[in-house]
Amino acid sequence: AAGVIQSPRHLIKEKRETATLKCYPIPRHDTVYWYQQGPGQDPQFLISFYEKMQSDKGSIPDRFSAQQFSDYHSELNMSSLELGDSALYFCASSLSRRYEQYFGPGTRLTVT
Amino acid sequence: GNSVTQMEGPVTLSEEAFLTINCTYTATGYPSLFWYVQYPGEGLQLLLKATKADDKGSNKGFEATYRKETTSFHLEKGSVQVSDSAVYFCALREIQGAQKLVFGQGTRLTINP
Repeated sequence: AAGVIQSPRHLIKEKRETATLKCYPIPRHDTVYWYQQGPGQDPQFLISFYEKMQSDKGSIPDRFSAQQFSDYHSELNMSSLELGDSALYFCASSLSRRYEQYFGPGTRLTVT
Repeated sequence: GNSVTQMEGPVTLSEEAFLTINCTYTATGYPSLFWYVQYPGEGLQLLLKATKADDKGSNKGFEATYRKETTSFHLEKGSVQVSDSAVYFCALREIQGAQKLVFGQGTRLTINP
């Protein structure tokens, strides 16, 4: 069965650079969630989209922005990267908000 | 706000031992409850779920029952295997808004042969 695809899987950036993370949801899933997992931490909700509209926002820095496109894929844009942004970034998708969320493999971002 | 509390790890057991990982929650209303598992270097996999009180979720020998009276969703397995070694996350799905997941802090489980 098709799963959530995230790219790239690994990304190394320097401080103050920008990064773009991509997420391709499971076909027919219309809802995308982004979570950030720091080392040894639980995943923390960043932002979500339903039918290409932002539906909720968590503890996402102003330096980050995201959107969902007409084909339902989503991109998380991160600017002025800081060392503390080093984390595993997960995308999850669901068939409307009422159903379970399926997670991608994550993008490991390292900021040096 | 909504929150999930798991028993602290790490937990180390011998193969074929009985496993319990405690999970309690605080929430508005009656959220759906989940257990996710994260194997080393991998993403989060949905292990089981329960959507209402007294529901029992089960998968791969793991079970958890939604207990409204004790606001708990403890994970159990009768006989663990080395391949069960992973980090386990209890989570609730909020009933308002985007219905995002709120996770517990995770419990690292190691099974020794």
